[in-house]
Amino acid sequence: AQSVTQLGSHVSVSEGALVLLRCNYSSSVPPYLFWYVQYPNQGLQLLLKYTSAATLVKGINGFEAEFKKSETSFHLTKPSAHMSDAAEYFCAVSDLDQTGANNLFFGTGTRLTVIP
Amino acid sequence: ETGVTQTPRHLVMGMTNKKSLKCEQHLGHNAMYWYKQSAKKPLELMFVYSLEERVENNSVPSRFSPECPNSSHLFLHLHTLQPEDSALYLCASSQDSPDLNTEAFFGQGTRLTVV
Repeated sequence: AQSVTQLGSHVSVSEGALVLLRCNYSSSVPPYLFWYVQYPNQGLQLLLKYTSAATLVKGINGFEAEFKKSETSFHLTKPSAHMSDAAEYFCAVSDLDQTGANNLFFGTGTRLTVIP
Repeated sequence: ETGVTQTPRHLVMGMTNKKSLKCEQHLGHNAMYWYKQSAKKPLELMFVYSLEERVENNSVPSRFSPECPNSSHLFLHLHTLQPEDSALYLCASSQDSPDLNTEAFFGQGTRLTVV
């Protein structure tokens, strides 16, 4: 089964600084990877997804992620943090579960705090 | 607005109550999901419905009972819950595809508190 690991449950950055949120995956086949964002008291919203078309994926709100097969990573970055980026971020991988159904398997999440 | 609507947004219920959570999707998807999100825990997949048939229940306690009357609606019936069941319950939908490249669209969740 495929899975993802998010290193760091909390990340703090200053406003205007680089945002880097880490995600590593384990997979025996080319994975489909996703980043979601969750604002307080809201559901999850898709930021971007990797589907093997290009290794650098651009998403909404200025975020992007790079798929690196050699490192089994799909880290999320943004050049300059904004106060509105404060939220929880989830990395996910798509896989078939034991019944053959298509499911998303999520990491434990990283809470991003932006310091003024 | 993601196209997935959950009601109610907040629910407080006693341990002897019976209540239901509702989810409706307007995206024409063929799969719907219930997730449980507790503080400091990963998202837990509770139930999956694909083409209106349940395909996964992940050993969820029987006090949670899902119902999917059609491809647009999903319910979670609750009875005799425990305080540890307090959590954010998220509904999601997707277009099930063997390509595995379709994302899920989430509702805003129902914040459930069991007292």
